[in-house]
Order: sequence, then structure tokens, then C-alpha cells
Amino acid sequence: EIVMTQSPATLSVSPGERATLSCRASQSVYSNLAWYQQNPGQAPRLLIYDASTRATGIPARFSGSGSGTEFTLTIASLQSEDFAVYYCQQYYDWYTFGQGTRLEIK
Amino acid sequence: QLQLQESGPGLVKPSETLSLTCSVSGASISSSSHYWGWIRQPPGKGLECIGSVHYSGIPYDSPSLKSRVAISIDMSNNQFSLSLSSVTAADTAVYYCARLSYSSGRYYFDLWGRGTLVSVSS
Repeated sequence: EIVMTQSPATLSVSPGERATLSCRASQSVYSNLAWYQQNPGQAPRLLIYDASTRATGIPARFSGSGSGTEFTLTIASLQSEDFAVYYCQQYYDWYTFGQGTRLEIK
Repeated sequence: QLQLQESGPGLVKPSETLSLTCSVSGASISSSSHYWGWIRQPPGKGLECIGSVHYSGIPYDSPSLKSRVAISIDMSNNQFSLSLSSVTAADTAVYYCARLSYSSGRYYFDLWGRGTLVSVSS
């Protein structure tokens, strides 16, 4: 099973600043990687697929990069609604998720 | 607008079978371009994919849950269902249904239902 490791577990950033979240795969997943945002009590929402393609309706301040085993989600100029938990997921070989990064207000 | 809605019992006894249904509105479940799947999230924990199915009946199930999982499609009612047998307390979770879309040779989860909490307890 491909293990996904996200860092940091918690990230404290001020509104208006940039947030950078990392995700590492235990083996190459090529570009078969997605990022999701989850707010308390809600379902995850797809932000990015194929490592760098924004899903429909996702603001341009969200961007994804990377391939192989190292991936990054960048949120430029954080808005209040962006403080949530973020998960990466690989879909190259079955589906496995990272443990999540909690983005909190500094 | 596509929407998915989970339904089913919120409480299941240990050793029994958990059964959930996902009703799809706004799109046909018989689309050849999509799979339909289930993910769960134990309270306070991370996400685990359970399995998925294509309208043609082709399944794609979790290697670790495969022996206990059955996912089926009901095209006449535009819904799909999950059965998980021999449940234990470890199966207590919020269960989400979701659509999978195709890109670059693989399917990814692109739209999720709101989820339903299922507790396993006597």
C-alpha cells in the first residue's frame, strides 16, 4: 500500500499570507494526486487533481505542484474560509489519503 | 446540479451487515465516464476508501475490506448501495458516497455526498 505523509500536521498562518502544505508518497504516484479541503462537519471538497489542475469553481489562489513522490499545495493570500483541514490522496494504485494538515489562524 | 445523498440505519449491531444507499440526482448513474464509490472516516480520524463500481458492474474494492464489501448499482432508481458484512466497532464512521471522474488514465473522487454517521454497537 502506498503511504501518504503530510507535513506539517498543523500550520498556523495569518489571513492574507501564503500557506504551503506538503505531501510525500512512499513510492511514485506520477501525477495521480488530489488535494481536498474539509471543514468541520462537512464532506471533503476537491481542490486539485492530477497534481496541479484546479477543480471546477476553485479560486485561483489555490495551486498544486509536484510529481512522483513530492507534492505541494499552495494557498496564496489566505481568506477566512480557507482555514480547514487539507488532505492529499493518491489514486495511482488504489486510493490512499494522507493524515491531513490542519490550517489554523495565527 | 449533481447531488449525492446517503441514507440508511445510523446504528448497526456487531456481526451484522451495514447497508447504505446513495441517491444520485442531477445526472445519470449510467454514465460510462464515471465510477461511483464509498469512503469512510472514523470519528476524529482520517479517510479510507472502501470501493467503487461502474454502471457496467465492474467493481474496484479495497484490498483490506474486499472480503466484506459489496457495492451494487440500481440504474432504475439512479442509486448505488454499499453492504459491509460482519461489522465491529472499528467500522463506526461517517460514510460518504462519491462520484469518480476519469483523467490521465485514472479515476479520482470529484464530488462527495454530505455523509452519514453509522455506529456499530449492541
